[in-house]
Amino acid sequence: NAGVTQTPKFRVLKTGQSMTLLCAQDMNHEYMYWYRQDPGMGLRLIHYSVGEGTTAKGEVPDGYNVSRLKKQNFLLGLESAAPSQTSVYFCASSYYHQGAETQYFGPGTRLLVL
Amino acid sequence: EDKVVQSPLSLVVHEGDTVTLNCSYEVTNFRSLLWYKQEKKAPTFLFMLTSSGIEKKSGRLSSILDKKELFSILNITATQTGDSAVYLCASIPGGATNKLIFGTGTLLAVQP
Repeated sequence: NAGVTQTPKFRVLKTGQSMTLLCAQDMNHEYMYWYRQDPGMGLRLIHYSVGEGTTAKGEVPDGYNVSRLKKQNFLLGLESAAPSQTSVYFCASSYYHQGAETQYFGPGTRLLVL
Repeated sequence: EDKVVQSPLSLVVHEGDTVTLNCSYEVTNFRSLLWYKQEKKAPTFLFMLTSSGIEKKSGRLSSILDKKELFSILNITATQTGDSAVYLCASIPGGATNKLIFGTGTLLAVQP
């Protein structure tokens, strides 16, 4: 099993450009999450999905959109990148069963917006 | 508002020392508390705690939960330089989303 994978690993964008981050998991997890991690702020939830075709807002959703067309994939889109979106983005996935809901994280995508 | 607070923010110790990291939480309908270790990349899972007073151990690491006082500790004995990392605590509140509420982490540096 590859676990949770993310592409790309690193990206530089200019303000106003758009891009999509891809997360894939091969563990048949129902739930998937996108976080951003900034110095001194910990991990903050952007959006999440509890199943194929469903998404919901997390703590810091503004400026991002997501889609979950297939169970194994969760896409995070930036429509018009801003310097405040410079961050490290982590995807995670988990089962929904209580007691088995440990989240497993991907390796992260480092995004720099100039 | 659900929140998780970790202390200390950072810690420097020497190899062989024992350290205790703290995590307090206030979450609605608490379900579980998780500890992760983050080195340079993704957080890696250490422990999941759901019941008070039951210690979980993995080698030199152990953790325990106190649901009455709303905190957890992570102990590392005989520290090694490879233990240097950020240790993250997170809690799962009630509900069907399994969302994690993270603390800001404790940065542990183990010097030779």
